[in-house]
Amino acid sequence: EPEVTQTPSHQVTQMGQEVILRCVPISNHLYFYWYRQILGQKVEFLVSFYNNEISEKSEIFDDQFSVERPDGSNFTLKIRSTKLEDSAMYFCASSKAGVEVAYNSPLHFGNGTRLTVT
Amino acid sequence: SQQGEEDPQALSIQEGENATMNCSYKTSINNLQWYRQNSGRGLVHLILIRSNEREKHSGRLRVTLDTSKKSSSLLITASRAADTASYFCATASNTGNQFYFGTGTSLTVIP
Repeated sequence: EPEVTQTPSHQVTQMGQEVILRCVPISNHLYFYWYRQILGQKVEFLVSFYNNEISEKSEIFDDQFSVERPDGSNFTLKIRSTKLEDSAMYFCASSKAGVEVAYNSPLHFGNGTRLTVT
Repeated sequence: SQQGEEDPQALSIQEGENATMNCSYKTSINNLQWYRQNSGRGLVHLILIRSNEREKHSGRLRVTLDTSKKSSSLLITASRAADTASYFCATASNTGNQFYFGTGTSLTVIP
Protein backbone atom coordinates (compact mmCIF):
# COMPACT_ATOMS: atom_id res chain seq x y z
CA GLU A 1 0.00 0.00 0.00
CA PRO A 2 1.38 3.46 -0.90
CA GLU A 3 2.59 5.50 2.03
CA VAL A 4 3.81 8.96 2.93
CA THR A 5 7.53 9.03 3.62
CA GLN A 6 9.39 11.63 5.65
CA THR A 7 13.09 12.36 5.97
CA PRO A 8 15.04 12.63 8.12
CA SER A 9 13.49 10.69 10.97
CA HIS A 10 15.41 12.80 13.49
CA GLN A 11 16.99 16.22 13.02
CA VAL A 12 19.07 18.00 15.63
CA THR A 13 19.85 21.64 15.03
CA GLN A 14 21.11 24.66 16.89
CA MET A 15 18.85 27.57 17.70
CA GLY A 16 18.82 30.09 14.87
CA GLN A 17 19.67 27.58 12.18
CA GLU A 18 17.49 26.81 9.18
CA VAL A 19 16.01 23.36 8.76
CA ILE A 20 14.20 21.72 5.88
CA LEU A 21 11.93 18.78 6.56
CA ARG A 22 11.13 16.61 3.58
CA CYS A 23 8.08 14.60 2.66
CA VAL A 24 7.03 12.48 -0.28
CA PRO A 25 3.22 12.33 -0.31
CA ILE A 26 1.25 9.53 -1.92
CA SER A 27 1.55 10.01 -5.65
CA ASN A 28 -2.11 10.48 -6.64
CA HIS A 29 -2.97 12.74 -3.70
CA LEU A 30 -3.64 16.41 -4.24
CA TYR A 31 -3.86 17.88 -0.72
CA PHE A 32 -0.79 18.12 1.48
CA TYR A 33 -0.48 19.06 5.12
CA TRP A 34 2.01 19.68 7.87
CA TYR A 35 1.15 19.04 11.48
CA ARG A 36 3.27 19.11 14.58
CA GLN A 37 3.06 17.44 17.94
CA ILE A 38 5.03 18.63 20.92
CA LEU A 39 5.92 15.64 23.09
CA GLY A 40 2.85 14.24 24.79
CA GLN A 41 0.59 17.01 23.58
CA LYS A 42 -2.07 17.46 20.94
CA VAL A 43 -1.57 17.27 17.19
CA GLU A 44 -1.56 20.84 15.87
CA PHE A 45 -2.33 21.94 12.33
CA LEU A 46 0.30 24.07 10.63
CA VAL A 47 -0.61 24.40 6.97
CA SER A 48 -2.48 22.84 4.06
CA PHE A 49 -1.37 23.05 0.45
CA TYR A 50 -3.30 22.49 -2.75
CA ASN A 51 -2.68 23.34 -6.38
CA ASN A 52 0.77 24.72 -5.60
CA GLU A 53 -0.39 27.20 -3.04
CA ILE A 54 -1.24 27.41 0.64
CA SER A 55 -4.94 26.72 1.29
CA GLU A 56 -5.01 27.40 5.00
CA LYS A 57 -2.48 28.08 7.71
CA SER A 58 -2.65 28.33 11.47
CA GLU A 59 -1.36 31.00 13.82
CA ILE A 60 1.67 28.81 14.45
CA PHE A 61 2.68 29.06 10.79
CA ASP A 62 4.29 32.50 10.98
CA ASP A 63 6.90 34.13 8.74
CA GLN A 64 9.55 31.71 9.98
CA PHE A 65 7.79 28.86 8.22
CA SER A 66 7.41 28.17 4.53
CA VAL A 67 6.34 25.24 2.38
CA GLU A 68 7.28 24.27 -1.11
CA ARG A 69 6.56 21.59 -3.65
CA PRO A 70 9.76 21.92 -5.68
CA ASP A 71 8.99 19.05 -8.04
CA GLY A 72 6.24 16.53 -8.68
CA SER A 73 6.98 14.38 -5.68
CA ASN A 74 8.50 16.30 -2.75
CA PHE A 75 6.76 18.57 -0.26
CA THR A 76 9.01 20.47 2.12
CA LEU A 77 8.64 22.49 5.29
CA LYS A 78 11.32 25.08 5.99
CA ILE A 79 11.89 26.76 9.31
CA ARG A 80 14.16 29.74 8.71
CA SER A 81 15.51 30.44 12.18
CA THR A 82 14.68 27.71 14.63
CA LYS A 83 13.72 28.39 18.22
CA LEU A 84 13.82 26.07 21.22
CA GLU A 85 10.03 25.89 21.18
CA ASP A 86 10.08 24.51 17.64
CA SER A 87 11.24 21.18 19.08
CA ALA A 88 8.49 18.71 18.22
CA MET A 89 7.47 15.87 15.95
CA TYR A 90 6.53 17.20 12.53
CA PHE A 91 4.11 15.11 10.52
CA CYS A 92 3.39 15.38 6.84
CA ALA A 93 0.06 14.12 5.55
CA SER A 94 -1.71 13.88 2.24
CA SER A 95 -5.27 13.24 1.11
CA LYS A 96 -6.90 12.25 -2.09
CA ALA A 97 -8.78 14.02 -4.85
CA GLY A 98 -10.19 17.46 -5.28
CA VAL A 99 -12.02 19.97 -3.14
CA GLU A 100 -15.44 18.47 -3.70
CA VAL A 101 -14.48 15.21 -2.05
CA ALA A 102 -11.89 16.53 0.40
CA TYR A 103 -14.44 16.45 3.18
CA ASN A 104 -14.62 12.69 3.04
CA SER A 105 -10.98 11.93 2.39
CA PRO A 106 -8.94 10.51 5.24
CA LEU A 107 -5.47 11.83 5.90
CA HIS A 108 -2.49 9.59 5.33
CA PHE A 109 0.38 10.45 7.65
CA GLY A 110 4.09 9.84 7.48
CA ASN A 111 5.98 8.62 10.54
CA GLY A 112 7.25 12.08 11.29
CA THR A 113 10.51 13.93 11.77
CA ARG A 114 11.58 14.52 15.35
CA LEU A 115 13.12 18.00 15.42
CA THR A 116 15.31 18.84 18.39
CA VAL A 117 16.50 22.42 18.70
CA THR A 118 19.37 22.92 21.15
CA SER B 1 -12.24 26.48 17.80
CA GLN B 2 -13.64 23.36 16.17
CA GLN B 3 -11.14 21.17 17.92
CA GLY B 4 -12.43 17.91 19.34
CA GLU B 5 -11.85 16.83 22.87
CA GLU B 6 -11.48 13.18 23.73
CA ASP B 7 -12.56 11.67 26.98
CA PRO B 8 -11.09 10.06 29.01
CA GLN B 9 -7.51 11.29 28.62
CA ALA B 10 -6.21 7.89 29.68
CA LEU B 11 -7.82 4.46 29.87
CA SER B 12 -6.36 1.20 31.16
CA ILE B 13 -8.17 -2.10 30.66
CA GLN B 14 -7.51 -5.84 30.68
CA GLU B 15 -7.12 -7.73 27.44
CA GLY B 16 -10.49 -8.99 26.22
CA GLU B 17 -12.45 -6.08 27.71
CA ASN B 18 -14.14 -3.42 25.62
CA ALA B 19 -12.74 0.11 25.44
CA THR B 20 -14.93 3.15 24.88
CA MET B 21 -13.60 6.58 24.03
CA ASN B 22 -15.64 9.71 23.52
CA CYS B 23 -15.13 12.82 21.45
CA SER B 24 -16.94 16.15 21.63
CA TYR B 25 -16.64 18.96 19.11
CA LYS B 26 -17.95 22.48 18.80
CA THR B 27 -19.20 23.34 15.32
CA SER B 28 -21.10 21.63 12.51
CA ILE B 29 -19.19 18.97 10.61
CA ASN B 30 -19.26 17.09 7.34
CA ASN B 31 -17.61 14.03 8.81
CA LEU B 32 -15.72 12.87 11.85
CA GLN B 33 -12.71 10.62 11.68
CA TRP B 34 -10.86 8.51 14.22
CA TYR B 35 -7.12 7.97 14.10
CA ARG B 36 -4.71 5.85 16.06
CA GLN B 37 -1.13 6.72 16.97
CA ASN B 38 1.39 4.25 18.25
CA SER B 39 4.12 5.81 20.36
CA GLY B 40 6.56 7.81 18.24
CA ARG B 41 4.76 7.05 14.99
CA GLY B 42 2.40 8.82 12.62
CA LEU B 43 -1.36 8.76 12.87
CA VAL B 44 -3.22 6.00 11.10
CA HIS B 45 -6.76 6.47 9.86
CA LEU B 46 -9.21 4.02 11.41
CA ILE B 47 -12.71 4.98 10.39
CA LEU B 48 -14.73 7.87 8.98
CA ILE B 49 -18.36 8.55 9.77
CA ARG B 50 -20.36 11.06 7.75
CA SER B 51 -22.67 13.60 9.36
CA ASN B 52 -25.76 11.79 8.05
CA GLU B 53 -24.67 8.48 9.57
CA ARG B 54 -25.35 7.46 13.17
CA GLU B 55 -23.29 4.32 13.48
CA LYS B 56 -20.54 2.57 11.58
CA HIS B 57 -18.64 -0.67 12.07
CA SER B 58 -15.24 -1.85 10.93
CA GLY B 59 -14.01 -5.13 12.33
CA ARG B 60 -13.77 -4.72 16.12
CA LEU B 61 -14.42 -0.98 15.86
CA ARG B 62 -17.81 0.62 16.31
CA VAL B 63 -18.27 4.36 15.94
CA THR B 64 -21.38 6.35 16.79
CA LEU B 65 -22.15 9.95 15.96
CA ASP B 66 -24.73 12.20 17.59
CA THR B 67 -24.74 15.52 15.74
CA SER B 68 -27.38 16.98 18.07
CA LYS B 69 -24.98 16.53 20.98
CA LYS B 70 -21.88 17.15 18.86
CA SER B 71 -20.32 13.97 20.12
CA SER B 72 -18.94 10.68 18.89
CA SER B 73 -17.77 7.49 20.53
CA LEU B 74 -15.31 4.82 19.49
CA LEU B 75 -15.79 1.34 20.88
CA ILE B 76 -13.07 -1.28 20.54
CA THR B 77 -14.43 -4.71 21.37
CA ALA B 78 -12.41 -7.66 22.68
CA SER B 79 -9.33 -5.52 23.12
CA ARG B 80 -5.83 -6.85 22.54
CA ALA B 81 -2.45 -5.73 23.88
CA ALA B 82 -1.67 -4.53 20.34
CA ASP B 83 -4.51 -2.00 20.63
CA THR B 84 -2.37 -0.03 23.09
CA ALA B 85 -2.01 3.40 21.47
CA SER B 86 -3.40 6.92 21.53
CA TYR B 87 -6.70 7.51 19.76
CA PHE B 88 -7.71 10.83 18.26
CA CYS B 89 -10.87 12.15 16.73
CA ALA B 90 -10.64 14.67 13.90
CA THR B 91 -13.10 17.00 12.24
CA ALA B 92 -12.73 18.97 9.03
CA SER B 93 -13.08 22.73 8.68
CA ASN B 94 -15.85 24.03 6.46
CA THR B 95 -13.42 24.38 3.57
CA GLY B 96 -12.20 20.83 4.08
CA ASN B 97 -8.64 22.13 4.02
CA GLN B 98 -7.89 21.83 7.69
CA PHE B 99 -8.47 18.92 10.02
CA TYR B 100 -8.72 19.53 13.74
CA PHE B 101 -7.49 16.87 16.12
CA GLY B 102 -8.49 16.41 19.70
CA THR B 103 -6.11 15.87 22.58
CA GLY B 104 -6.36 12.10 22.35
CA THR B 105 -7.14 9.19 24.63
CA SER B 106 -4.19 7.08 25.69
CA LEU B 107 -5.35 3.46 25.81
CA THR B 108 -3.35 0.78 27.60
CA VAL B 109 -4.45 -2.83 27.22
CA ILE B 110 -2.89 -5.06 29.84
CA PRO B 111 -2.15 -8.63 28.67
